[in-house]
Amino acid sequence: AAGVIQSPRHLIKEKRETATLKCYPIPRHDTVYWYQQGPGQDPQFLISFYEKMQSDKGSIPDRFSAQQFSDYHSELNMSSLELGDSALYFCASSLGRAGGGEQYFGPGTRLTVT
Amino acid sequence: QKEVEQDPGPLSVPEGAIVSLNCTYSNSAFQYFMWYRQYSRKGPELLMYTYSSGNKEDGRFTAQVDKSSKYISLFIRDSQPSDSATYLCAMSGSGAGSYQLTFGKGTKLSVIP
Repeated sequence: AAGVIQSPRHLIKEKRETATLKCYPIPRHDTVYWYQQGPGQDPQFLISFYEKMQSDKGSIPDRFSAQQFSDYHSELNMSSLELGDSALYFCASSLGRAGGGEQYFGPGTRLTVT
Repeated sequence: QKEVEQDPGPLSVPEGAIVSLNCTYSNSAFQYFMWYRQYSRKGPELLMYTYSSGNKEDGRFTAQVDKSSKYISLFIRDSQPSDSATYLCAMSGSGAGSYQLTFGKGTKLSVIP
């Protein structure tokens, strides 16, 4: 079965650079969530989109922005990167938000900021 | 205090043992309870999904939710070396602004052949 696709899988950036992470949800899923998982940490919710509109907002820094496009894929844009932004970034998708939704995670993008 | 508490382990058991993993939580608004399995440097894989209180069984896995005690459990029967991974509990609410998952720290499980 098709799963959540994330690209790139690995990304190395220098401090103060920008990065763009992409997420392609499971076909027919209309809700996308972004999570950040630091080393040895649990995933922390950043932001979510439902039907191309921002749905919920978590601990996302002001330097980050995201959007969901008409084909439901989503992009997380990260500017002025800091060393502390080094983490695994997961995208999850679900069909609707009703009932909390079963969220299925992608393989993640490993961002390293040097 | 975190909203979701989970013993990080590590937990080491012999092959064939019954494994019990647990989480407690403080937010009474949580309605949906999930267990994810995560292998090193991989994305969390959804194992079990339960709404409100009760039990749910899927093969060797059983999830239990006790909302009165704010306590959830995952049991793994006949554990296999391939079950070695980190197990994350996760929870969410059901209203606007509460669909995002709140995770426990994860319990690292090793099943020894």
